[in-house]
Amino acid sequence: EAGVTQFPSHSVIEKGQTVTLRCDPISGHDNLYWYRRVMGKEIKFLLHFVKESKQDESGMPNNRFLAERTGGTYSTLKVQPAELEDSGVYFCASSQGLPGQYNSPLHFGNGTRLTVT
Amino acid sequence: GQSLEQPSEVTAVEGAIVQINCTYQTSGFYGLSWYQQHDGGAPTFLSYNALDGLEETGRFSSFLSRSDSYGYLLLQELQMKDSASYFCAGDQAGTALIFGKGTTLSVSS
Repeated sequence: EAGVTQFPSHSVIEKGQTVTLRCDPISGHDNLYWYRRVMGKEIKFLLHFVKESKQDESGMPNNRFLAERTGGTYSTLKVQPAELEDSGVYFCASSQGLPGQYNSPLHFGNGTRLTVT
Repeated sequence: GQSLEQPSEVTAVEGAIVQINCTYQTSGFYGLSWYQQHDGGAPTFLSYNALDGLEETGRFSSFLSRSDSYGYLLLQELQMKDSASYFCAGDQAGTALIFGKGTTLSVSS
């Protein structure tokens, strides 16, 4: 089974530019999550999709971040316009069920390292 | 809301046993997970405690006490390859995992 894949692996952009990150979850996983890790800090939750619907987007920092999940398959996370504090590693994860209800672990991608200069 | 506290760093030698603690404050808490992340890699699932007590998986064990809002990950017979970051994560039923800040484990020979 193919794992969670993320593209690009690295992105360096200037402040004010736009970047779009893509995540392809494991096939058949209805749950898709976006997380971000800033150096030395926690893996911070951004949002959670169930199929194509946003189940929880309470972690999205502001309206410069827009996530979509077309047809309940792959997902994109757009940052527009990017700010310096947006730098970090953006992880996508997917799961078949929910961790608490079905003991369904999260499968993470390798992340996209975003640097905003 | 949820918050989870872990030590930032732990050091140990090969063959030793190390325990990484995790305390949490949360409402409606459901279970505790542990993930491992090597530098530059994806976090990978290690264990999940839905019930109080000890779960053992090979050299790794995880413990949960809901009454104490506390859990730990126990790593035995440490190997160099165990050097990594370890994250505890809590969940509320029906929601995504909330992660702690992670503990960097350094294993030396």
